[in-house]
Amino acid sequence: SQTIHQWPATLVQPVGSPLSLECTVEGTSNPNLYWYRQAAGRGLQLLFYSVGIGQISSEVPQNLSASRPQDRQFILSSKKLLLSDSGFYLCAWRRTGGIYEQYFGPGTRLTVT
Amino acid sequence: SQQGEEDPQALSIQEGENATMNCSYKTSINNLQWYRQNSGRGLVHLILIRSNEREKHSGRLRVTLDTSKKSSSLLITASRAADTASYFCAIPSGGSNYKLTFGKGTLLTVNP
Repeated sequence: SQTIHQWPATLVQPVGSPLSLECTVEGTSNPNLYWYRQAAGRGLQLLFYSVGIGQISSEVPQNLSASRPQDRQFILSSKKLLLSDSGFYLCAWRRTGGIYEQYFGPGTRLTVT
Repeated sequence: SQQGEEDPQALSIQEGENATMNCSYKTSINNLQWYRQNSGRGLVHLILIRSNEREKHSGRLRVTLDTSKKSSSLLITASRAADTASYFCAIPSGGSNYKLTFGKGTLLTVNP
Protein backbone atom coordinates (compact mmCIF):
# COMPACT_ATOMS: atom_id res chain seq x y z
CA SER A 1 0.00 0.00 0.00
CA GLN A 2 1.01 3.58 -0.53
CA THR A 3 2.05 5.95 2.24
CA ILE A 4 2.85 9.64 2.23
CA HIS A 5 5.05 11.26 4.85
CA GLN A 6 5.54 14.90 5.70
CA TRP A 7 7.86 16.50 8.21
CA PRO A 8 8.11 18.31 10.41
CA ALA A 9 4.57 18.31 11.82
CA THR A 10 4.92 21.78 13.30
CA LEU A 11 7.47 24.50 12.80
CA VAL A 12 7.97 27.95 14.29
CA GLN A 13 10.42 30.10 12.39
CA PRO A 14 11.44 33.76 12.61
CA VAL A 15 10.90 36.14 9.72
CA GLY A 16 13.82 36.05 7.32
CA SER A 17 14.88 32.51 8.16
CA PRO A 18 15.05 29.72 5.55
CA LEU A 19 12.51 26.93 5.18
CA SER A 20 12.64 23.35 4.03
CA LEU A 21 9.63 21.04 4.19
CA GLU A 22 9.96 17.51 2.94
CA CYS A 23 7.43 15.07 1.56
CA THR A 24 8.05 11.47 0.54
CA VAL A 25 5.76 8.86 -0.94
CA GLU A 26 6.18 5.12 -0.58
CA GLY A 27 4.66 2.24 -2.50
CA THR A 28 4.22 3.86 -5.89
CA SER A 29 6.36 5.12 -8.73
CA ASN A 30 6.26 8.24 -10.89
CA PRO A 31 3.49 9.90 -8.90
CA ASN A 32 2.18 13.38 -9.57
CA LEU A 33 3.13 15.46 -6.50
CA TYR A 34 1.57 18.59 -5.06
CA TRP A 35 2.17 21.27 -2.45
CA TYR A 36 -0.86 23.14 -1.10
CA ARG A 37 -1.21 25.85 1.52
CA GLN A 38 -4.30 26.30 3.65
CA ALA A 39 -4.94 29.48 5.59
CA ALA A 40 -7.03 29.21 8.76
CA GLY A 41 -10.64 28.34 7.93
CA ARG A 42 -10.00 28.52 4.21
CA GLY A 43 -9.76 26.21 1.24
CA LEU A 44 -6.61 24.86 -0.31
CA GLN A 45 -4.35 26.93 -2.52
CA LEU A 46 -2.23 24.94 -4.95
CA LEU A 47 1.35 26.17 -4.77
CA PHE A 48 3.37 23.75 -6.89
CA TYR A 49 2.88 20.49 -8.73
CA SER A 50 5.22 18.05 -10.40
CA VAL A 51 4.50 15.41 -13.02
CA GLY A 52 8.05 14.03 -13.00
CA ILE A 53 11.58 14.36 -11.62
CA GLY A 54 12.86 17.87 -12.11
CA GLN A 55 9.54 19.06 -13.54
CA ILE A 56 8.02 21.74 -11.32
CA SER A 57 5.09 23.99 -12.14
CA SER A 58 4.33 27.02 -10.02
CA GLU A 59 0.75 28.15 -9.58
CA VAL A 60 1.25 31.27 -7.52
CA PRO A 61 4.21 33.67 -7.70
CA GLN A 62 5.55 34.00 -4.20
CA ASN A 63 8.39 33.62 -1.79
CA LEU A 64 8.52 29.83 -2.10
CA SER A 65 10.13 27.29 -4.41
CA ALA A 66 9.84 23.55 -4.87
CA SER A 67 12.14 20.79 -6.01
CA ARG A 68 11.80 17.11 -6.84
CA PRO A 69 15.27 15.62 -6.49
CA GLN A 70 14.00 12.01 -6.55
CA ASP A 71 10.93 10.31 -8.00
CA ARG A 72 9.04 10.17 -4.70
CA GLN A 73 10.49 13.17 -2.88
CA PHE A 74 9.07 16.68 -3.02
CA ILE A 75 10.63 19.59 -1.15
CA LEU A 76 9.20 23.04 -0.44
CA SER A 77 11.72 25.75 0.31
CA SER A 78 12.15 29.40 1.02
CA LYS A 79 15.31 31.46 1.39
CA LYS A 80 13.67 34.10 3.60
CA LEU A 81 10.32 33.56 5.27
CA LEU A 82 7.68 36.26 5.46
CA LEU A 83 4.92 36.57 8.04
CA SER A 84 2.44 35.83 5.25
CA ASP A 85 4.03 32.39 4.74
CA SER A 86 2.38 31.15 7.92
CA GLY A 87 -0.18 28.44 7.30
CA PHE A 88 -0.87 24.75 7.02
CA TYR A 89 1.15 23.10 4.26
CA LEU A 90 -0.08 19.91 2.69
CA CYS A 91 1.67 17.55 0.34
CA ALA A 92 -0.35 15.23 -1.88
CA TRP A 93 0.17 12.64 -4.59
CA ARG A 94 -1.87 10.91 -7.26
CA ARG A 95 -1.28 8.25 -9.86
CA THR A 96 -0.08 9.45 -13.23
CA GLY A 97 -2.53 9.74 -16.08
CA GLY A 98 -6.30 9.33 -16.11
CA ILE A 99 -8.85 10.42 -13.57
CA TYR A 100 -7.66 9.70 -10.05
CA GLU A 101 -8.07 11.02 -6.55
CA GLN A 102 -5.32 12.71 -4.56
CA TYR A 103 -3.89 11.39 -1.32
CA PHE A 104 -2.73 13.85 1.28
CA GLY A 105 -0.03 13.84 3.91
CA PRO A 106 -0.68 14.86 7.53
CA GLY A 107 0.47 18.44 6.94
CA THR A 108 2.95 20.87 8.47
CA ARG A 109 1.77 23.77 10.60
CA LEU A 110 4.16 26.66 9.94
CA THR A 111 4.13 29.74 12.12
CA VAL A 112 6.38 32.61 11.11
CA THR A 113 7.05 34.99 14.00
CA SER B 1 -9.62 29.28 -12.64
CA GLN B 2 -12.94 27.94 -11.57
CA GLN B 3 -13.57 26.32 -8.26
CA GLY B 4 -16.44 24.49 -6.68
CA GLU B 5 -18.42 26.43 -4.11
CA GLU B 6 -19.83 24.52 -1.19
CA ASP B 7 -23.08 25.40 0.49
CA PRO B 8 -23.75 25.85 3.34
CA GLN B 9 -20.50 27.17 4.82
CA ALA B 10 -21.41 25.59 8.15
CA LEU B 11 -23.93 22.99 9.25
CA SER B 12 -24.78 21.83 12.75
CA ILE B 13 -26.94 18.75 13.33
CA GLN B 14 -27.70 16.14 15.95
CA GLU B 15 -26.33 12.63 15.89
CA GLY B 16 -28.51 10.33 13.84
CA GLU B 17 -29.71 13.08 11.50
CA ASN B 18 -28.76 13.28 7.85
CA ALA B 19 -26.41 15.97 6.54
CA THR B 20 -26.51 17.34 3.02
CA MET B 21 -23.82 19.54 1.49
CA ASN B 22 -23.89 21.01 -1.97
CA CYS B 23 -21.25 22.03 -4.47
CA SER B 24 -21.77 24.22 -7.52
CA TYR B 25 -19.36 24.93 -10.34
CA LYS B 26 -19.34 26.93 -13.55
CA THR B 27 -17.74 25.03 -16.43
CA SER B 28 -17.86 21.51 -17.84
CA ILE B 29 -16.02 18.86 -15.86
CA ASN B 30 -15.27 15.18 -16.35
CA ASN B 31 -15.24 14.33 -12.66
CA LEU B 32 -15.90 15.80 -9.24
CA GLN B 33 -14.36 14.68 -5.97
CA TRP B 34 -15.31 15.03 -2.32
CA TYR B 35 -12.81 15.13 0.53
CA ARG B 36 -13.05 15.30 4.32
CA GLN B 37 -10.66 17.12 6.65
CA ASN B 38 -10.64 16.66 10.38
CA SER B 39 -9.35 19.66 12.30
CA GLY B 40 -5.58 20.03 11.94
CA ARG B 41 -5.23 16.99 9.69
CA GLY B 42 -4.70 16.22 6.05
CA LEU B 43 -7.56 15.70 3.62
CA VAL B 44 -9.04 12.28 3.06
CA HIS B 45 -10.61 11.33 -0.24
CA LEU B 46 -14.24 10.21 0.05
CA ILE B 47 -15.77 9.73 -3.39
CA LEU B 48 -14.92 10.46 -7.02
CA ILE B 49 -17.86 10.71 -9.38
CA ARG B 50 -17.42 10.91 -13.14
CA SER B 51 -19.50 13.09 -15.44
CA ASN B 52 -21.30 10.06 -16.87
CA GLU B 53 -22.42 8.98 -13.40
CA ARG B 54 -25.45 10.43 -11.64
CA GLU B 55 -25.09 8.85 -8.23
CA LYS B 56 -22.49 7.00 -6.21
CA HIS B 57 -22.55 5.39 -2.79
CA SER B 58 -19.90 4.53 -0.25
CA GLY B 59 -21.13 3.25 3.10
CA ARG B 60 -23.23 6.06 4.64
CA LEU B 61 -22.17 8.50 1.93
CA ARG B 62 -24.19 9.26 -1.17
CA VAL B 63 -22.97 11.64 -3.86
CA THR B 64 -25.05 12.90 -6.75
CA LEU B 65 -23.91 14.83 -9.79
CA ASP B 66 -26.17 16.89 -12.04
CA THR B 67 -24.07 18.12 -14.95
CA SER B 68 -26.98 20.07 -16.44
CA LYS B 69 -27.24 22.15 -13.26
CA LYS B 70 -23.49 22.03 -12.65
CA SER B 71 -23.98 20.88 -9.09
CA SER B 72 -23.22 17.99 -6.79
CA SER B 73 -24.42 17.00 -3.38
CA LEU B 74 -22.94 14.90 -0.60
CA LEU B 75 -25.36 13.20 1.76
CA ILE B 76 -24.20 11.64 5.01
CA THR B 77 -26.88 9.45 6.51
CA ALA B 78 -27.29 8.62 10.21
CA SER B 79 -24.51 11.02 11.16
CA ARG B 80 -22.15 10.38 14.05
CA ALA B 81 -20.06 12.70 16.18
CA ALA B 82 -17.01 11.32 14.36
CA ASP B 83 -18.36 12.82 11.12
CA THR B 84 -17.56 16.28 12.49
CA ALA B 85 -15.14 17.72 9.94
CA SER B 86 -14.83 20.07 6.98
CA TYR B 87 -15.99 18.70 3.65
CA PHE B 88 -14.58 19.94 0.36
CA CYS B 89 -15.53 19.40 -3.23
CA ALA B 90 -12.78 19.49 -5.82
CA ILE B 91 -12.95 19.80 -9.58
CA PRO B 92 -10.33 19.52 -12.32
CA SER B 93 -8.75 22.81 -13.28
CA GLY B 94 -6.64 24.17 -16.06
CA GLY B 95 -8.08 21.70 -18.54
CA SER B 96 -6.19 18.82 -16.96
CA ASN B 97 -7.06 15.82 -14.85
CA TYR B 98 -4.00 16.14 -12.63
CA LYS B 99 -4.82 19.53 -11.09
CA LEU B 100 -7.72 20.05 -8.73
CA THR B 101 -9.28 23.23 -7.41
CA PHE B 102 -10.86 22.97 -3.99
CA GLY B 103 -13.74 24.97 -2.63
CA LYS B 104 -13.69 26.63 0.77
CA GLY B 105 -15.56 23.76 2.35
CA THR B 106 -18.54 23.08 4.56
CA LEU B 107 -17.85 22.75 8.28
CA LEU B 108 -20.11 20.01 9.62
CA THR B 109 -20.64 19.72 13.36
CA VAL B 110 -22.48 16.66 14.64
CA ASN B 111 -23.63 17.10 18.21
CA PRO B 112 -23.89 13.99 20.40
